Amino acid sequence: VQLVESGGGLVQPGGSLRLSCEASGITFSYYWMTWVRQAPGKGLEWVAHINQDGTETHSMDSVRGRFTISRDNARNSLSLQMNSLRAEDTAVYYCARGVRELRRDWFDSWGQGTLVTVSS
Amino acid sequence: SSELTQDPAVSVALGQTVRITCHGDSLRTYYASWYQQRPGQAPILVIYGKNNRPSGIPDRFSGSTSENTASLTITGVQAEDEADYYCYSRDSSGHRGVFGGGTRVTV
Repeated sequence: VQLVESGGGLVQPGGSLRLSCEASGITFSYYWMTWVRQAPGKGLEWVAHINQDGTETHSMDSVRGRFTISRDNARNSLSLQMNSLRAEDTAVYYCARGVRELRRDWFDSWGQGTLVTVSS
Repeated sequence: SSELTQDPAVSVALGQTVRITCHGDSLRTYYASWYQQRPGQAPILVIYGKNNRPSGIPDRFSGSTSENTASLTITGVQAEDEADYYCYSRDSSGHRGVFGGGTRVTV
């Protein structure tokens, strides 16, 4: 299983960035997919997730309306469109493969992350 | 509440046992999963569900849950267990996820 993120970089406040995560070695369409971020020197923060066919998405309060998670199962690809970026969005962004059951869920594969820096 | 609370840090001697706890109202409904993160590396899953270990995780790692508290226990701590540990579960809505603040384990 391999997850490879791309698209990070330096962007000015108010700008936009699109992150991608390419999956290989898995049947991508079987799994929930999630974005998790980690600000420098801080802990992990769940950002958003999407179900197997893309019909259900959820995101954290501070990014709702600014970030959009999507997927393309034909291309084994997950995306995070980030608009109206703020300094507090600066973080390493990880994509993770999720398993979601009635009362439990977990992330059993992670990418290496892509750094997003929001600064003027 | 959608928060999960962990102690920031704990120290343990080599070969001893350490228990890391995670508190949150949503844990009365949903199981936690636990992640180990070494400096500069991506997190890895160590425990999920009631007490399940992924392939490749040593059996010195175990999990438990009681009411609003989930625990990760490392029995016979090794030097390579020095890392940050995070709990994760759903929030009280059941729709979104939430991580605890993390516990730094020093051996």
